[in-house]
Amino acid sequence: DTGVSQDPRHKITKRGQNVTFRCDPISEHNRLYWYRQTLGQGPEFLTYFQNEAQLEKSRLLSDRFSAERPKGSFSTLEIQRTEQGDSAMYLCASSSSAGNTIYFGEGSWLTVV
Amino acid sequence: GQSLEQPSEVTAVEGAIVQINCTYQTSGFYGLSWYQQHDGGAPTFLSYNALDGLEETGRFSSFLSRSDSYGYLLLQELQMKDSASYFCAVRLANSGYALNFGKGTSLLVTP
Repeated sequence: DTGVSQDPRHKITKRGQNVTFRCDPISEHNRLYWYRQTLGQGPEFLTYFQNEAQLEKSRLLSDRFSAERPKGSFSTLEIQRTEQGDSAMYLCASSSSAGNTIYFGEGSWLTVV
Repeated sequence: GQSLEQPSEVTAVEGAIVQINCTYQTSGFYGLSWYQQHDGGAPTFLSYNALDGLEETGRFSSFLSRSDSYGYLLLQELQMKDSASYFCAVRLANSGYALNFGKGTSLLVTP
């Protein structure tokens, strides 16, 4: 069990650029989640996949954000035309169908300058 | 909607016992979870309560009262490494098992 892995761990980008984050969940987990966390706050839910289907999106997920999970394995989160307000840690998590526990990756820190 | 309330900061002395409370409002309750997060790290699962009562895991225990919409995390024999943020969370409605987190309690353990 290698855990949830995320890449890159840190990204600095200029305002207006696009960025993409990748998440590899725990291999046997069919549920995958993206969260965003800013300093001093709890993780905020962005979106959820069951296998390759994106079943839920938060109102936080503006049209500049898109997430995919082709073939129900890894997932990507793309942010287009980044804004300074997008600066945050983007957390990926996964869980099994039977479990009540979600397991987080180490997160991808985004700084928009 | 959903809301979770927990104290923003708690300070305790090494070796002591500390209790972090959480009250929640949610429709369709599916259990209360607790996560620990060290600065710059990932949230890690501590405990889950689906039913009323106390769950014990080593130095950590978690309690739930569904009738009071209340739970707490109890940390015993505090160690310096327990300094971290602690989040309670409930399952989001209509989101599989996605969790809605509180704002977290920052615990500082002092010598």
